[in-house]
Amino acid sequence: EAQVTQNPRYLITVTGKKLTVTCSQNMNHEYMSWYRQDPGLGLRQIYYSMNVEVTDKGDVPEGYKVSRKEKRNFPLILESPSPNQTSLYFCASSPNSGRARGWSDEQFFGPGTRLTVL
Amino acid sequence: AQKVTQAQTEISVVEKEDVTLDCVYETRDTTYYLFWYKQPPSGELVFLIRRNSFDEQNEISGRYSWNFQKSTSSFNFTITASQVVDSAVYFCALSETPRASGTYKYIFGTGTRLKVLA
Repeated sequence: EAQVTQNPRYLITVTGKKLTVTCSQNMNHEYMSWYRQDPGLGLRQIYYSMNVEVTDKGDVPEGYKVSRKEKRNFPLILESPSPNQTSLYFCASSPNSGRARGWSDEQFFGPGTRLTVL
Repeated sequence: AQKVTQAQTEISVVEKEDVTLDCVYETRDTTYYLFWYKQPPSGELVFLIRRNSFDEQNEISGRYSWNFQKSTSSFNFTITASQVVDSAVYFCALSETPRASGTYKYIFGTGTRLKVLA
């Protein structure tokens, strides 16, 4: 089954304790992205990656790191989490094959990770 | 700067009523892409439709229809004869022309929560 998986789905941690949220897709998609969803703010893009070893900042990258060593995986790293990073996080992937043909592919989203930082 | 505005935070309608969700965007790009996603109470994000900036044809899919007007920078979504299952948060999104580096971001609106009452 084609899907984007995220782990863990729920996480409660304390301020300053490094954590990683994994994201994996089995669709051979080039484009991957992380978003956070907060009440009243909608979805905001944190980081995105066009392909292996190509990453770039979204609109809210502060306090986050990412890496793209393999095409299928795009982990989100919080080196020193703080309470303002408490949020619902979504990973997404997209083929990125449509742009050359005049359209933009939709994104496929993972199920979300609810993170609470105490 | 790119921006997507969904001014309606929450809308409540009675089943079988028609409802329109507004989306207004800002961009300097002449080529861009617009999307609508649905987030039902279960939390997943589901792609509904995409539209290119150079294709102003409106689209109808069952009870759903979309009205894209470049003159007013709007991409509104109408549900005809709403049903309880339409209750969800709906997000409008914009993706820009790739930069010189070939990268591009997605910008989401803050979402509109639709409640359809039986």
